[in-house]
Amino acid sequence: DLVLTQSPDSLAVSLGERATINCKSSQSVLNRSYNKYFLTWYQQRPGQPPKLLIYWAFTRESGVPDRFSGSGSGTDFTLTISSLQAEDVATYYCQHLGTFGQGTKVEI
Amino acid sequence: QVTLKESGPTLLKPTQTLTLTCSFSGFSLNTPGVGVAWVRQPPGQALEWLALIFWDDGKRYSTSLKTRLSITKDTSENRVVLTMTNMAPVDTARYYCVHVPGGVFFGDFWFDPWGPGIQVTVSS
Repeated sequence: DLVLTQSPDSLAVSLGERATINCKSSQSVLNRSYNKYFLTWYQQRPGQPPKLLIYWAFTRESGVPDRFSGSGSGTDFTLTISSLQAEDVATYYCQHLGTFGQGTKVEI
Repeated sequence: QVTLKESGPTLLKPTQTLTLTCSFSGFSLNTPGVGVAWVRQPPGQALEWLALIFWDDGKRYSTSLKTRLSITKDTSENRVVLTMTNMAPVDTARYYCVHVPGGVFFGDFWFDPWGPGIQVTVSS
């Protein structure tokens, strides 16, 4: 079975600074038929359900601030928050089909 | 606006069967490409996908839990029901109903939006 491993488990970033979260898959998540990476990112603020941020590794969901971006290829992917805001304090998860990563907690 | 809400028992005894209902609005499960899924989250732990049902009644289950799970839909009532048999204390979690908006025709799926979730506790 495919496994998604996120790193780090937690990180503390100053307001306005960059936060980088990694997600490594045990197998390729590239669908060669469509040349799309099946890799999704979510944000879960404390006490709330998760919220979709990015799908197909790079495509930002409508309404998501552009400080959030996805990058990567092959089996290694990254969620970047370019300038951390107070409201970005949350746990972030990557997902491929029925598998989630273990989450990365972002604090200030 | 798509909304979903979970309902069902919040306290179960070991070996009992959990039946959860997801009532939704803002979309139809008759629409090609659409689905509804269940995801759970034990206290302080990560998300775990359980089951998914598509507009065409196609179903997918978590490999590790598929012998205990069943998902059905009532399109006319805009409801999806999840049953999980033989509940145990390790199944204590918040259970979320989620909309599957797209990607299906590419073989992918993701979850948006999520219901508020229902906390289910299994204890003797």
